[in-house]
Amino acid sequence: QKEVEQNSGPLSVPEGAIASLNCTYSDRGSQSFFWYRQYSGKSPELIMFIYSNGDKEDGRFTAQLNKASQYVSLLIRDSQPSDSATYLCAVIPTQGGSEKLVFGKGTKLTVNP
Amino acid sequence: EAGVVQSPRYKIIEKKQPVAFWCNPISGHNTLYWYRQNLGQGPELLIRYENEEAVDDSQLPKDRFSAERLKGVDSTLKIQPAELGDSAVYLCASSLEALRRDEAFFGQGTRLTVV
Repeated sequence: QKEVEQNSGPLSVPEGAIASLNCTYSDRGSQSFFWYRQYSGKSPELIMFIYSNGDKEDGRFTAQLNKASQYVSLLIRDSQPSDSATYLCAVIPTQGGSEKLVFGKGTKLTVNP
Repeated sequence: EAGVVQSPRYKIIEKKQPVAFWCNPISGHNTLYWYRQNLGQGPELLIRYENEEAVDDSQLPKDRFSAERLKGVDSTLKIQPAELGDSAVYLCASSLEALRRDEAFFGQGTRLTVV
């Protein structure tokens, strides 16, 4: 089992809809979870991080964490064409004691005007 | 404030040739990371530096890859000799403190094509 798994998509939603991106992780002791956005040909940029169970909202973005289910999600409300990108879920695992981000493969999101 | 700066942006080389990538992290950032991103995949860590010390190089293919971070600022990543499978985007990132408390900022990357 890979450490971080995401549905690679592509996920296509109409403008104004809610986009839901999902991620599961294998290291039950993981404490830190991140969502990065990566436009084609560009570098990843952090859009959300979450450490505690529950929801964390920032503008149109909501991250949800359920440690018991080892599941983290990202909701994008009122999706815009400019949200079209690949969304990378990343986790800092506890195994090995290394401060590194372990990324999933990413989910490609397309928001159609 | 300038972000993480990498050069070159693009590099095309023939297999078995050497290649080097350069990274200048954000000023004051003690932690520097080199990641490799293959097409359609997420980035994978190659090496992490705390100041000038390589604290995690477990995923660096040491037979052909080497890295250094002299004086704890700029860093170079070298491949010698390059293989076809090394074609990827090489990303440098830096953070002020350990990741659990701080954000990692990525550079624009170097896209390497080995032919």
